[in-house]
This record gives sequence, structure tokens and C-alpha cells, in this order.
Amino acid sequence: EVQLVESGGGLVQPGGSLRLSCAASGFIFSSHWMHWVRQAPGKGLVWVSRINRDGTTTTYADSVKGRFAISRDNAKNALYLQMNSLRVEDTAVYYCARDRHPTSVNNWFDPWGQGTLVTVSS
Amino acid sequence: DIQMTQSPSTLSASVGDRVTITCRASQSISSWLVWYQQKPGKAPKVLINKASILESGVPSRFSGSESGTEFTLTISSLQPDDFATYYCQQYSSYPLTFGGGTKVEIK
Repeated sequence: EVQLVESGGGLVQPGGSLRLSCAASGFIFSSHWMHWVRQAPGKGLVWVSRINRDGTTTTYADSVKGRFAISRDNAKNALYLQMNSLRVEDTAVYYCARDRHPTSVNNWFDPWGQGTLVTVSS
Repeated sequence: DIQMTQSPSTLSASVGDRVTITCRASQSISSWLVWYQQKPGKAPKVLINKASILESGVPSRFSGSESGTEFTLTISSLQPDDFATYYCQQYSSYPLTFGGGTKVEIK
């Protein structure tokens, strides 16, 4: 069974840092681009970041550029999101998600993890 | 960035009703559009990809169509399990963007 399990969320003060992890299983992790998507409480979905198969190419939404860093460890089947200089508006459930097809340029997210809640508050 | 405008934001309907949700892209995205269903506290689930391709295991009462930059998700006969929030998402270009969501409520 293809599965993604996030961890690392919690309560952090504004300006603080947090590192999210996503454990992947049931598929060849190193074959897929991976993503982080977030959802503020009661709000819609927002794409945050992506990383290519070997970790050499990353892309970010403007709202997190320069503050967040995505990375992966293919030996451990793990995806990470290092979040620095956190703001109140970063409060959200953070989902890791996989590109559906390993070889397609145009791709959607499938599957998604269950999400981990990050709360930025003083 | 490509803006995805989804309507309505909330929809009240009864079991058995035909339901239509619309998503309009701010520019051409070809057919690179996916529809997700999300239930409270759960991750989104893919219903339809490439505008009209039904995912394996998704009931045939769900269908998708397109006309230019306007995309439609139709539920032919609403079932109790369908009360949820639906999102469209374009995957034509980065940043990937979502519609604002449509919450389908019980009338």
C-alpha cells in the first residue's frame, strides 16, 4: 500500500523554526517528485514546495521563499520541510504529497499524507 | 500565476439531486485539471484527472467536462457519502494552484 506519514508539527512562536518529516512507503520513493501542500484552518489548499527525484531541484511558493527549505533522503524514503522565521500566517495543516506519475511533466498529487498541524502563536 | 475561480463556494442539496460545480482558469491550462474531494480532518482524494478521466474506484455518478477555460464537476445523483468539500487544481504550470473549494451541504 502506498503511504505517506507526516510528523513534526506542533506549536511554535513567531520567528521560530520547525522541521517536518514525511515517511514514504509502498512505492519507489526515488522515482517521484514530492511536494508539500498546506491548508490553513477552515481555508483552502495551497501548494508550498516541490523537489525533484534526486533532490537537486527545488521550487517554492513566493510566500515561503527564503524561509522554507525542502529536502529528501532517498536512502531513508523521507521528505523534509525545514521552516524558519515562522509567521502566524504559516499556521496550517501541512500535507506531503507525491507526483502521480514518475515520468510525466504534468502531474497531480496522489496520494497525500494525513497531514501534520503547525501552529504559530505567541 | 494561474488563478482558479471555483463556484459556488457552498451548495445545499438533497440526496438524489444533480450537482454541478464550476472552475474557471484565468488562462489556458489545456486539460490539465484535477478534481479532489476532501472530508473533514482527511486528506484530499482524487476523483477526476485531466479534466474528465474518472479515477479507478470512483463511482460513475461523478463526471468532469471542459469548455475552453471552464471546467465542470457533476454528481449525477448525490449520495450521503458525497457531502464534502470539492477542490479543482490546475497542473499546467507552477505555481500549481487550487480553486477556493465548494462545500456540498445537506439541504
